[in-house]
Amino acid sequence: DQQVKQNSPSLSVQEGRISILNCDYTNSMFDYFLWYKKYPAEGPTFLISISSIKDKNEDGRFTVFLNKSAKHLSLHIVPSQPGDSAVYFCAASYGQNFVFGPGTRLSVLP
Amino acid sequence: GAVVSQHPSRVICKSGTSVKIECRSLDFQATTMFWYRQFPKQSLMLMATSNEGSKATYEQGVEKDKFLINHASLTLSTLTVTSAHPEDSSFYICSAPRDSYSYEQYFGPGTRLTVT
Repeated sequence: DQQVKQNSPSLSVQEGRISILNCDYTNSMFDYFLWYKKYPAEGPTFLISISSIKDKNEDGRFTVFLNKSAKHLSLHIVPSQPGDSAVYFCAASYGQNFVFGPGTRLSVLP
Repeated sequence: GAVVSQHPSRVICKSGTSVKIECRSLDFQATTMFWYRQFPKQSLMLMATSNEGSKATYEQGVEKDKFLINHASLTLSTLTVTSAHPEDSSFYICSAPRDSYSYEQYFGPGTRLTVT
């Protein structure tokens, strides 16, 4: 049973537009959520995170929104750039437990 | 910023041999490191938690006798794939938390293992 789900395996967005990547989780114990970006044959790099006590966190072009009642979070990238093309993993954590979603491949078209 | 390195970045070995992968935290100490495996078109799978000075904690379904983990120092954890088989071919990634109180993980660049 997947505790962290990213239901869109891929997403294509035009350069300059907004990219919205979604993530759902099932375990209410999770209290910290993170987004990672991964290029092929490289390790993931941390993008942005949010604690369960917040509903929004913004860092430059990246904003993460958390809806605890819906157990849903989303990553907004605006404006999208071709260099943002990568696989984005949502991850959820509590204590030493750390669970990744399956990832969404974002393609930003020039 | 903090950096985690892995060595080797790529390795090809024959079936039945063993391969050791090193994970180092370069400018910080890590009492805990994590080892992941990425399957094609799937998410990162946590294999085990490596603890300095004590035994590693393995996730359900991961064979501890096949994937030997040694956290020899506060900056080094090793993963040894013993008696490797072609199905062990994968991309192995380690990570370490920035500090004991941080949820954020610094990831290594990964090791591509191919077993022929």
